[in-house]
Order: sequence, then C-alpha cells, then structure tokens
Amino acid sequence: GAGVSQTPSNKVTEKGKYVELRCDPISGHTALYWYRQSLGQGPEFLIYFQGTGAADDSGLPNDRFFAVRPEGSVSTLKIQRTERGDSAVYLCASRHGPQDTGELFFGEGSRLTVL
Amino acid sequence: QKEVEQDPGPLSVPEGAIVSLNCTYSNSAFQYFMWYRQYSRKGPELLMYTYSSGNKEDGRFTAQVDKSSKYISLFIRDSQPSDSATYLCAILNQAGTALIFGKGTTLSVSS
Repeated sequence: GAGVSQTPSNKVTEKGKYVELRCDPISGHTALYWYRQSLGQGPEFLIYFQGTGAADDSGLPNDRFFAVRPEGSVSTLKIQRTERGDSAVYLCASRHGPQDTGELFFGEGSRLTVL
Repeated sequence: QKEVEQDPGPLSVPEGAIVSLNCTYSNSAFQYFMWYRQYSRKGPELLMYTYSSGNKEDGRFTAQVDKSSKYISLFIRDSQPSDSATYLCAILNQAGTALIFGKGTTLSVSS
C-alpha cells in the first residue's frame, strides 16, 4: 500500500483481556517501530525491528507486552492481561533510509481503550 | 531530568505571525534532531531534520540547533491556519535505534 496501515483503528476491551494490534509497513521498508502515545504526550518508544528480529525492545514496559515480525513485513503487537493504564494510541512506523535521517513514516495508530 | 523537554502550550497566534517552538535536551552526545508535525488523530510526519549545530531552512520553516546550550528551535514564518497542529521535537538516541520525542506543542493559528 501507499502508507503504513494499522488495524484495528479503534479497539475497546475489558481489563484483563488479550489484545493484538497489527501493522502493515510500507513495502520494502526493513525497519519497523512501535510507539505508544498517551493523551497530551509525545510518542513513547516501545520496540524496533530490523528485518525479522527485535533490534531494540528496551521500551516495552513489562512482560505483558510482546511484538513479532515473523516474515520481516507485517508486525503484531500483543498485550496480555490488559490494564486501564494501557489505554493509548499505539503507533507503528517504518523506515527505509539510514538511521541518522530519522525519517519514520507513521500510520494513523490503533486507539486502545481498556475499560 | 527527562531526556527531551518541550512546553506543551497551547500556543495561539494570528495568521501571519512568526512562531517559535523550542525544546531542551539533556545529553550532549545527541547529534540528530528532528521536528515532526502531527494533525489531530493522525500519525506524526517529518518536517525537518538537522545534524549537529546550525540552521536549516525549508520554505517558511527554519530549524535551529544550539548544542552549547542543548536547545533546539523551530521557527514558522507567515503562519497559516493550516499550520495548526501539534509540533513534536525528536532526537535520535545514542544507539541510533529510536527517536526520543518531546511532549509536543499544540499550535493554533487563527484567520
């Protein structure tokens, strides 16, 4: 597709449930990022994939959060035993060029609400 | 101290005004600095990036980095209502693996 695609755009769930958020990056982009943005805050880094492997997962807040990118394209962010504090917009971004240009192409995000 | 600090505003200006947006950062080793713009309910999009110190100009936008004071700025000349958005400063971390974002400054330009 033309841009980064994220599904679902909105997800409402109950505390304790399991959630999966999907990201389809721009074709050919080898780097993929997940960020979380709470209301009134900037995006907060979660995890960075280069190809299929997680090159930096230092931003994952705890072991309830996990992400995969098995074929080096689509990625899924998985959240177990959701808590109300997990409510946020989860942004996915992809990049093709060198790291120092910093040009990440973001999707519109998946808005997660945990009741 | 947070790695990147940004005043969230909001900032309201009339059309045609010059706007100054600023961030400070804590680590003198940072080298790559960016400004992203985010419209409501959209993902951020890159406006400008700068390496090390100095100025960079692109149309009505000028990005400035002062490494001696660890201060980065974005200037918007002749502001337009279409510039109304949240502006996020971002810095590439030392490992080169992630961008660290400021909180964002919400700008409103009235016609």
